[in-house]
Amino acid sequence: SQWGEENLQALSIQEGEDVTMNCSYKTYTTVVHWYRQDSGRGPALIILIRSNEREKRSGRLRATLDTSSQSSSLSITAAQCEDTAVYFCATTGNTGKLIFGLGTTLQVQP
Amino acid sequence: ETAVFQTPNYHVTQVGNEVSFNCKQTLGHDTMYWYKQDSKKLLKIMFSYNNKQLIVNETVPRRFSPQSSDKAHLNLRIKSVEPEDSAVYLCASSSTGGYYEQYFGPGTRLTVL
Repeated sequence: SQWGEENLQALSIQEGEDVTMNCSYKTYTTVVHWYRQDSGRGPALIILIRSNEREKRSGRLRATLDTSSQSSSLSITAAQCEDTAVYFCATTGNTGKLIFGLGTTLQVQP
Repeated sequence: ETAVFQTPNYHVTQVGNEVSFNCKQTLGHDTMYWYKQDSKKLLKIMFSYNNKQLIVNETVPRRFSPQSSDKAHLNLRIKSVEPEDSAVYLCASSSTGGYYEQYFGPGTRLTVL
C-alpha cells in the first residue's frame, strides 16, 4: 500500500478549534496534493506542496512536508462549520499518476 | 464553478445490465480520468486518457471500458454490472506539464440491485 494506516481517520472538533490531519506515504513523490471533498461533490484541490517546500500556507490552511520521514500534514486554523468535509492527501509516486490516501473525515460542530 | 460535467447524477440498475456514464471537461485539459470511490471514500483510479490514448489501466474488470471521442470527453461503459460495481464514479481532468492537479466532476452514483 502507498499509505500508512494512520491516514484513515474521523475527527470531530468544535468550531474555532485548530485541527491537524496527517498523511504518511511509502514511495517517492515530487509533490503532495491535499484535496477536500464535500458531501455529494467531487474532490477539489485546496493546497499543493512541492518536495522542495517544507511549508505552504493558503488562508487558514497550512500544509507541511517532510520528505525525510515521507509525511505531510494539513492544518486548519480556527475551523468553521463549512470546513466539514473529507480531506485527502495524494502523491504522484514513481509513475506520475496521482495516488490518493484513505482520507480523513472532519466534522466541525457549531 | 463546475468545469467537469458528469451525467447522470445517479443511476439504479439490475445485475447484468449495461450502463454508460458521460463526462465532459471545458478546461482545455489533455488528460482525463475515471475513478471509483467506494462507500469508505477510498478513491481508486480506473483509467486515464491522454490524446485519445489509454495510458493507465488499473487492472479493472474487463466489463469496464472507457470511450473517448475527443480530448474533452471521456465516457465509461460497464457491460453486465455486478453488485460490487455499486459506487460513485468520478471523472477528472488535468493538463500535462504540471503537478497533475486534478479537477473533478460531481460524480455519478451507481446502485446495482
